[in-house]
Amino acid sequence: ETGVTQSPTHLIKTRGQQVTLRCSSQSGHNTVSWYQQALGQGPQFIFQYYREEENGRGNFPPRFSGLQFPNYSSELNVNALELDDSALYLCASSLGGDNTHNEQFFGPGTRLTVL
Amino acid sequence: AQRVTQPEKLLSVFKGAPVELKCNYSYSGSPELFWYVQYSRQRLQLLLRHISRESIKGFTADLNKGETSFHLKKPFAQEEDSAMYYCALKSGNTPLVFGKGTRLSVIA
Repeated sequence: ETGVTQSPTHLIKTRGQQVTLRCSSQSGHNTVSWYQQALGQGPQFIFQYYREEENGRGNFPPRFSGLQFPNYSSELNVNALELDDSALYLCASSLGGDNTHNEQFFGPGTRLTVL
Repeated sequence: AQRVTQPEKLLSVFKGAPVELKCNYSYSGSPELFWYVQYSRQRLQLLLRHISRESIKGFTADLNKGETSFHLKKPFAQEEDSAMYYCALKSGNTPLVFGKGTRLSVIA
């Protein structure tokens, strides 16, 4: 069984640029959730994908978008990067969508720095 | 709105001393409460959830609906318990809401 993986590990961008972060879910999981964790804060929910459809969204602007692929891997795209987007981005996979009690398994995260 | 409050950013205790990490929440319904832990250089992982009513690594947490609290406790702290601890709340089809976390430092 393979755990959740994320790429890249670290990324440095400048304001206004666009970034794509990737997540491979744990084997057998069909749900991926993305979180932003700013320094000194807890993870904050961005959105979730269940069977390739967006299944809930947090309080993030439309320049944060995502995709889920048939193999349940996922991408997080952020356009027009701002300095405040600098954070650790976490991906978590689970089985069964959002209205279940199934455990979410987290990846190691991607550290994004916006200069 | 759902909110999770962890009042202590840092908690330092001596090895063998009791530990209590505080968590208070605001939610009018019936939430499910969790504790997540992140050890140094490791990923965030679930420690325990209130519906399981189990003890993990000697830690327990009881949901007190009257006080809207879900404090994490361990009678005798170990050095390997040093980590970042996050309390989180979920209800129905709402996403996980995390607190800001408490760093536990167990001093030998």
